[in-house]
Amino acid sequence: QKEVEQNSGPLSVPEGAIASLNCTYSDRGSQSFFWYRQYSGKSPELIMSIYSNGDKEDGRFTAQLNKASQYVSLLIRDSQPSDSATYLCAVTDSSASKIIFGSGTRLSIRP
Amino acid sequence: KAGVTQTPRYLIKTRGQQVTLSCSPISGHRSVSWYQQTPGQGLQFLFEYFSETQRNKGNFPGRFSGRQFSNSRSEMNVSTLELGDSALYLCASSLAPGQGNGGYTFGSGTRLTVV
Repeated sequence: QKEVEQNSGPLSVPEGAIASLNCTYSDRGSQSFFWYRQYSGKSPELIMSIYSNGDKEDGRFTAQLNKASQYVSLLIRDSQPSDSATYLCAVTDSSASKIIFGSGTRLSIRP
Repeated sequence: KAGVTQTPRYLIKTRGQQVTLSCSPISGHRSVSWYQQTPGQGLQFLFEYFSETQRNKGNFPGRFSGRQFSNSRSEMNVSTLELGDSALYLCASSLAPGQGNGGYTFGSGTRLTVV
């Protein structure tokens, strides 16, 4: 089992709709959770971090964390073509010694 | 505030050669982590340095090594290059090791091609 799992996609969403990206992780001791966005040919860019159960909102982005289910999600409201990218879920290991990345979900927003 | 600087941006090397990549973290950041990114494997953790000490190492062969200097700049070295080492090598900077309060800030990466 991979430590951080994501559906590779591509996930195609119409412009203006809500895009929902999901991630599961295997280490129950993980404490910090992140979402990165990576455009083709560019390096990953941190867009959301979440540390406690529940929802965290930042503009059009909402991160959701459920530690009991070992599940993290990212919702993007009012999706725009500029949101088309690969989204990487990242989790610290239980010793907080490193950050482990999922393989990413490719999101495509169609006009 | 300057970001994370990686040099060079692109490299083409021949099998069997060695290569050294450089990373200068954000000013004040003392932790530097290195990742290898390939289409098939995604982002794979190589190692992390803090205060000139390697704190953690991923599952890579001994051909991959690194170090950190007193000014927090870091280098990674790959010896006896193989075709499979072709990848984007990313350096990530953070205030504290691993924990990532606020997460990592990545450099633009070094694209290594081994021919």
